[in-house]
Amino acid sequence: DTGVSQNPRHKITKRGQNVTFRCDPISEHNRLYWYRQTLGQGPEFLTYFQNEAQLEKSRLLSDRFSAERPKGSFSTLEIQRTEQGDSAMYLCASSLANQPQHFGDGTRLSIL
Amino acid sequence: QKEVEQNSGPLSVPEGAIASLNCTYSDRGSQSFFWYRQYSGKSPELIMSIYSNGDKEDGRFTAQLNKASQYVSLLIRDSQPSDSATYLCAVNLSGGGADGLTFGKGTHLIIQP
Repeated sequence: DTGVSQNPRHKITKRGQNVTFRCDPISEHNRLYWYRQTLGQGPEFLTYFQNEAQLEKSRLLSDRFSAERPKGSFSTLEIQRTEQGDSAMYLCASSLANQPQHFGDGTRLSIL
Repeated sequence: QKEVEQNSGPLSVPEGAIASLNCTYSDRGSQSFFWYRQYSGKSPELIMSIYSNGDKEDGRFTAQLNKASQYVSLLIRDSQPSDSATYLCAVNLSGGGADGLTFGKGTHLIIQP
């Protein structure tokens, strides 16, 4: 069990650019979640996959955000036309069915 | 709208004492309840999960759930300086955590040596 892996750990980009983050879940976990966390707040749910199917999306996930999990293993989260308000820690979590979620170390996004 | 409320603190507790952290939630349909610990700059780490009314103990940690009062708590016995962190309460509607968790803002706990 190597844990949930996220890359990159830190991304700095200019406003208006597109960014993509990757998450590799714990190998046997079929459920994968994306959250966003800003300073002083708890994580906010963005979206969730069971295998390759995206089953739930939060209203926070605007049309500039897209997430995929094409083969039911790793997942990517893309943000298009980044804005200052997108600066946050993006957390990925994974779980087995009906089990608690385990988080990766996150990707910190900074928008210049 | 699902809401989870926690006192943001800081909560200061002497080393060796019991730290008591509290959480209330608004959605009576909530079925699963979790406590995560988060050190500054790190990701949340699962401490406890609880699904039914009553107490659940794991080492120095005890989670308590009262669904009638919509209240969850975490007790940390024999508090150590390494327990100093932000403790996040999280809930969700389904039985085992299938959909997204709703988190509180967290309680910042400081254990004074």
